[in-house]
Amino acid sequence: GIQVEQSPPDLILQEGANSTLRCNFSDSVNNLQWFHQNPWGQLINLFYIPSGTKQNGRLSATTVATERYSLLYISSSQTTDSGVYFCAVVRDNNDMRFGAGTRLTVKP
Amino acid sequence: DAGVIQSPRHEVTEMGQEVTLRCKPISGHNSLFWYRQTMMRGLELLIYFNNNVPIDDSGMPEDRFSAKMPNASFSTLKIQPSEPRDSAVYFCASSLMVVSDTQYFGPGTRLTVL
Repeated sequence: GIQVEQSPPDLILQEGANSTLRCNFSDSVNNLQWFHQNPWGQLINLFYIPSGTKQNGRLSATTVATERYSLLYISSSQTTDSGVYFCAVVRDNNDMRFGAGTRLTVKP
Repeated sequence: DAGVIQSPRHEVTEMGQEVTLRCKPISGHNSLFWYRQTMMRGLELLIYFNNNVPIDDSGMPEDRFSAKMPNASFSTLKIQPSEPRDSAVYFCASSLMVVSDTQYFGPGTRLTVL
């Protein structure tokens, strides 16, 4: 099956810093999504981005489908950005696979 | 809208018992998803429904797991009989359309099978 790799596995930032999270996938996909899981376990869908670039406030995401990667940018990080960021990809057969996540800690 | 509602929030049961997890999607959403999260396997999509019809259940681990969606406002995930390795957090999510749309997650049910 398709492999999804996220990097880095862990990231510690000082409040106000910028960061880039990466998601590599091993085959072509129809769909890619980014999720955030906060320290209390709540999951939030951030972006549906099979290709191109999207922005939502301090967060933006870019997927280069031909090169099989996606990037999530967090600017001016806040403590509330802490948690685990997952990317998930979907192929033709609707099989959805998640990466192992990047654990982000933003310190005040 | 109250968002996606799951019940119970926590469930502790003994091996061999039947477990039923419940989900109420956001009103007007046509697609519903069940996920499982464990330390060992991470997040996994178990099954999803579109217009109350199961579309893909390839993620359901084995025959002990079954899911139903009798109407647009209710779904259940049943495990019978339960085993300790089923211990996990089970999330339900809903969206307007299928996997290509923004999904909204419930708070999850933390299941512990002793």
